[in-house]
Amino acid sequence: KQEVTQIPAALSVPEGENLVLNCSFTDSAIYNLQWFRQDPGKGLTSLLLIQSSQREQTSGRLNASLDKSSGRSTLYIAASQPGDSATYLCAVPTGANSKLTFGKGITLSVRP
Amino acid sequence: NAGVTQTPKFQVLKTGQSMTLQCAQDMNHEYMSWYRQDPGMGLRLIHYSVGAGITDQGEVPNGYNVSRSTTEDFPLRLLSAAPSQTSVYFCASSPGQSNSPLHFGNGTRLTVT
Repeated sequence: KQEVTQIPAALSVPEGENLVLNCSFTDSAIYNLQWFRQDPGKGLTSLLLIQSSQREQTSGRLNASLDKSSGRSTLYIAASQPGDSATYLCAVPTGANSKLTFGKGITLSVRP
Repeated sequence: NAGVTQTPKFQVLKTGQSMTLQCAQDMNHEYMSWYRQDPGMGLRLIHYSVGAGITDQGEVPNGYNVSRSTTEDFPLRLLSAAPSQTSVYFCASSPGQSNSPLHFGNGTRLTVT
């Protein structure tokens, strides 16, 4: 059974810091990995989707990498801002279709 | 473009009552799914559908029913509410291709007393 782990559960950094959020998964037979953002009381917003054939995907100040062989992905946030404060979740497909297994998320707080 | 719309946003039920959580998407997505999110448990898949007329169980289907009569709508029915079903429920959709991002609604917060 696929398990997705995100450690630590919470992180607090000063504004302007570059940071890395980690995600690990047990079954490397995946065809993509997604990173999501969740604001309090809201649904999840897809940030980046990395296909298994890619090693990196970038969107603005966000960069996600994927290493299938080691079962790891990282989300790099450059020059963090207070508006980046949210919970970040990673997810991988389980079987066919779009069924996803989620990590429990990392709650990020960026201090002004 | 409304995306994925869930109603109601909040609901309080008494044990044993039934209700339907509504989910509609206007993106012509084939795939739709329901998740529940609980503290310490993360997001867990309840039911999903790969197209109109087709549904299947996820990780935690007991106590819930779904149907998919149209591409747009995917309601989740609680047959006899229990306190263990107190949770935040999210509906999500995607075009269905294996490399398509998942789009989420804003959730329904359900409390069962």
